[in-house]
Amino acid sequence: GNSVTQMEGPVTLSEEAFLTINCTYTATGYPSLFWYVQYPGEGLQLLLKATKADDKGSNKGFEATYRKETTSFHLEKGSVQVSDSAVYFCALGGATNKLIFGTGTLLAVQP
Amino acid sequence: DAGVTQSPTHLIKTRGQQVTLRCSPKSGHDTVSWYQQALGQGPQFIFQYYEEEERQRGNFPDRFSGHQFPNYSSELNVNALLLGDSALYLCASSKFLTGQDLLIANVLTFGAGSRLTVL
Repeated sequence: GNSVTQMEGPVTLSEEAFLTINCTYTATGYPSLFWYVQYPGEGLQLLLKATKADDKGSNKGFEATYRKETTSFHLEKGSVQVSDSAVYFCALGGATNKLIFGTGTLLAVQP
Repeated sequence: DAGVTQSPTHLIKTRGQQVTLRCSPKSGHDTVSWYQQALGQGPQFIFQYYEEEERQRGNFPDRFSGHQFPNYSSELNVNALLLGDSALYLCASSKFLTGQDLLIANVLTFGAGSRLTVL
């Protein structure tokens, strides 16, 4: 069945460091891919998405490219801020709008 | 514009009891999905409601049931609570779309969740 494997955390970075959080997936068909972010005490917020191969999703300085050949959707940001500290979830969605999530990666950014 | 609202935010129950969680979808949305997020895990899909019917169901026992009302709001009911039911329960709403429209446009909007503790 469909699944998402996500880099385990926690990831601890200094402010302005480069961020990569790895995400790979297994799926039949042509799923959409998402990154959601969860700040402490809050629900999930969509960070970015990509709906087909080679699409690049971007938002708030974060980027991820849908790579069909490597079944990956890695999240990157060139310069993280303390305010980016949160849990990041990679997710896969198909024709029925049911999402399959990875286990989440905790990012802690230190000043 | 209010997003997805859930109630209660926190509750404590004992094993064997029953619980009802409530969700009001974002304005303009007609589909409600429920997810269970255990501590340190990603959300797991429970079920989805559209037009007051359960449209999809994840791998959850029938102790988990739901309902959608004509105003699109929804309830999640869990009977015979187990310790393992302790989790954050997330409600997500969306506009019902199909096919390519879904892939291009549809995004789930999540509520802040209801934290259930079973003792």
